[in-house]
Amino acid sequence: SQQGEEDPQALSIQEGENATMNCSYKTSINNLQWYRQNSGRGLVHLILIRSNEREKHSGRLRVTLDTSKKSSSLLITASRAADTASYFCATDAPGNQFYFGTGTSLTVIP
Amino acid sequence: SQTIHQWPATLVQPVGSPLSLECTVEGTSNPNLYWYRQAAGRGLQLLFYSVGIGQISSEVPQNLSASRPQDRQFILSSKKLLLSDSGFYLCAWSVEDRRVSAQHFGDGTRLSIL
Repeated sequence: SQQGEEDPQALSIQEGENATMNCSYKTSINNLQWYRQNSGRGLVHLILIRSNEREKHSGRLRVTLDTSKKSSSLLITASRAADTASYFCATDAPGNQFYFGTGTSLTVIP
Repeated sequence: SQTIHQWPATLVQPVGSPLSLECTVEGTSNPNLYWYRQAAGRGLQLLFYSVGIGQISSEVPQNLSASRPQDRQFILSSKKLLLSDSGFYLCAWSVEDRRVSAQHFGDGTRLSIL
């Protein structure tokens, strides 16, 4: 797998349900970020979680980080149709590298 | 507040033609600037980044080049486009290095090569 890889690749839920997407990475990190991309638009930064943090909240977003499993999850509670987008995790890596994953495509059905 | 402008939104160019995409940032000074390319259904590939005027680092060797003639202006160029240059090009800026700081993206340029 690549440094940042999201799972699932695609997710379809009903409005009001919670959406959970996961990110796995290979090497040790200092920070992990989540971004959202609406179709045909640029990415929007959602949240940054540091390696010494285990959980972070921002509105309806909850991000967890498990450095022992090299994974992170993004939970969107009470989803809305406007949450339909692709979600990417991004991680730093040794050698001053930085990688975006290939994304999870979320569809929220009204 | 800070804003980023990227143009044009879409561009159709013949193979072998030149390219110039422009990106400008307002409301901040000495930003880190980035050019990415995104293939359909894929993640982002960093092409160039700049930490200051005239300072350009290239991540992927190819027929593209970048320049930063002013503090908040970043230009992506090519002398002769290839079919493989088709894609979605995104400009972004950050206050600090992108590994520790949020990046703020423009709305992208959809480039189609015929």
